[in-house]
Amino acid sequence: GAVVSQHPSRVICKSGTSVKIECRSLDFQATTMFWYRQFPKQSLMLMATSNEGSKATYEQGVEKDKFLINHASLTLSTLTVTSAHPEDSSFYICSARDRRRGSSGANVLTFGAGSRLTVL
Amino acid sequence: AQSVTQLGSHVSVSEGALVLLRCNYSSSVPPYLFWYVQYPNQGLQLLLKYTSAATLVKGINGFEAEFKKSETSFHLTKPSAHMSDAAEYFCAVSGLGANSKLTFGKGITLSVRP
Repeated sequence: GAVVSQHPSRVICKSGTSVKIECRSLDFQATTMFWYRQFPKQSLMLMATSNEGSKATYEQGVEKDKFLINHASLTLSTLTVTSAHPEDSSFYICSARDRRRGSSGANVLTFGAGSRLTVL
Repeated sequence: AQSVTQLGSHVSVSEGALVLLRCNYSSSVPPYLFWYVQYPNQGLQLLLKYTSAATLVKGINGFEAEFKKSETSFHLTKPSAHMSDAAEYFCAVSGLGANSKLTFGKGITLSVRP
């Protein structure tokens, strides 16, 4: 079945540094990838929608200059948290939509295992 | 606009007991509905989904859910809880279109007592 790999699974960084998280579709091509943020004991909040070859679409309230998203190929999207601060500490999860499934919408999403970011 | 309501934050059952996790949705268009499970420090795993076919949907690990339009509900059930079912459960809703986004409920923690 479809597999989405996220790397790193855990990262600890100092305040002010930038961190890049990768989301890869391993056995399918993903026209669209989604990035979510999850705080402890809370639900997933959609941050942005990433389409291959175009600029990401950010949800209201998400700073696009803070959370840089690049979807340079059909199998890779990256989220870079720039100048990270402790309040950016969170669990970041990506999901990907299989290009072969066409316009089937949200019912063909595969989620990655998540990346836990801790900013000291 | 779409939304999902999961009442309560925690459900505790005994091993072997019925599991019932409630989900009510609000949608201005016919919805797709989903239940996901999340184990600690892991991503989401799809349990089951309703995509306008049969209203009673069977998923993995013995879970099932019934879509009831009149009640705008999509409750998750399992006849007999197992210790391995202890996890966080999320109900989610989306529209039918190619660019539809998933909107998640706040989740509910299931504990299973021996």
